[in-house]
Amino acid sequence: SYVLTQPPSVSVAPGKTARITCGGNNIGSKSVHWYQQKPGQAPVLVIYYDSDRPSGIPERFSGSNSGNTATLTISRVEAGDEADYYCQVWDSSSDHYVVFGGGTKLTVL
Amino acid sequence: QLQLQESGPGLVKPSETLSLTCTVSGGSISSSSYYWGWIRQPPGKGLEWIGSIYYSGSTYYNPSLKSRVTISVDTSKNQFSLKLSSVTAADTAVYYCARHIDVAAPCDYWGQGTLVTVSS
Repeated sequence: SYVLTQPPSVSVAPGKTARITCGGNNIGSKSVHWYQQKPGQAPVLVIYYDSDRPSGIPERFSGSNSGNTATLTISRVEAGDEADYYCQVWDSSSDHYVVFGGGTKLTVL
Repeated sequence: QLQLQESGPGLVKPSETLSLTCTVSGGSISSSSYYWGWIRQPPGKGLEWIGSIYYSGSTYYNPSLKSRVTISVDTSKNQFSLKLSSVTAADTAVYYCARHIDVAAPCDYWGQGTLVTVSS
């Protein structure tokens, strides 16, 4: 089965840049989607197909994907960005299914 | 604006079958080529995809749950449903329904989620 590995937590000061990674075997060959989830709420899509941003998502959110690592970058971090972030791919290599990373808690200091 | 709403019992006994329904409003479940999926999240833990169904009825399931899961669609009611059999405490979670335009696409619309507790 395909495994996506995220750091459990990332901390960043307001105004700085946060980078959240999502590791997987040759993940660069797959399309990666990113979700933001705040306590008690459903996940919200913030980046899709590696680097596209849905309407309504600030330009401060960006994504990249290459090799064995995909990265969600949040520039000029604000207090409101504090949340859990999850990466997601579709694994078609053996079993065909959706895989989520374990999630990363972003703390704004 | 498309809306999804989960409904079903909040408490299920061990070994029984968990049944949930997702009602779609603001759009027809069969009018476009969408997938409709179920995702769950145990308390304090991460997201786990359960499975998805195409509007025409074809399904994809998480291999780890496949033997216990059935997802079906009722286009006349604009609903799709989840059945998870032989539940244990490990199946206690918030269950979300969601939409995606392709099996590999992201979920762009989500329900608010419903907590299902497995306990006697």
